[in-house]
Amino acid sequence: EVQLAESGGGLVEPGGSLRLSCTASGFDFKTYGMNWVRHTPGKGLECVSSITSRSSNIFYGASVRGRFTISRDNDKNSLYLQMNSLRADDTGIYYCARSFNWDSPFDNWGQGTLVTVSS
Amino acid sequence: DIVLTQSPGTLALSPGEGATLSCRASQRVSTDYLAWYQQKRGQAPRLLVYGPAYRATGVPDRFTGSGSGTDFTLTISRLEPEDYAVYYCQQYGNKPWTFGQGTKVEPK
Repeated sequence: EVQLAESGGGLVEPGGSLRLSCTASGFDFKTYGMNWVRHTPGKGLECVSSITSRSSNIFYGASVRGRFTISRDNDKNSLYLQMNSLRADDTGIYYCARSFNWDSPFDNWGQGTLVTVSS
Repeated sequence: DIVLTQSPGTLALSPGEGATLSCRASQRVSTDYLAWYQQKRGQAPRLLVYGPAYRATGVPDRFTGSGSGTDFTLTISRLEPEDYAVYYCQQYGNKPWTFGQGTKVEPK
C-alpha cells in the first residue's frame, strides 16, 4: 500500500523557517516525481513545488520562489521542503503528493501537516 | 497561468440523483491534461479521473470525466452517501499546474 506521511509543521513567527518532511513507503520512491501542494484559506489548493525522480527538474510556484527549497533523498525514501522567510499567507495544510512523471496527475497524497505563520 | 473556474459553487442533491460539475479553463489545457479530485472533510484529496476520461484505480464507474480544450465536466451518475465532498479540477499540462476553487456537493 502506498503511504506518504508528512511531518515538520507547526507554529512559526513571520520571517521564520520550517522544514517539512515526507516519508514514503509501499512503492519504488526513486522512480516517481514528487510534489508539495498546500491548501490555504486565501488561494485554495496550490502546487507549491515539484521535483522529478532524480532531481533533474524542479519547479516552484511564483509565490514561494526564492524562499522555499524542495529536495529529496531517494536512499531514505524522503521528500523535503525547506521554507524560509515565512509569511502569514503561507499558513495552511501542506501535502506531499506523488506523480508518475512531470506531466501526470497526483495519484497519491499524504494526510498533510499544518503550518501556521503568526506572531 | 491557467485559471480554472468551477461551477456551481455548491450543489445540493439527494442520494440517487445525478450530478454535473463544470470546470472551465481560461486557455486551452495542453493535451487535455485535466484531473478531478475528491476531498472529504479532514482528508487528503483523492484522484478520481484524469486525462480527462480515465478513472483512477478503484474509482467507481458512476464517476465519469469528459471534455476537451477549455471545457471539462465530471458527472456522477447516481449519488451515493459517501460522495458528499468537495470536488476540485486541476490542469497538469501547463506549468504552473493549477486547481479550481472547488464545487461542494452536499445533502439536499
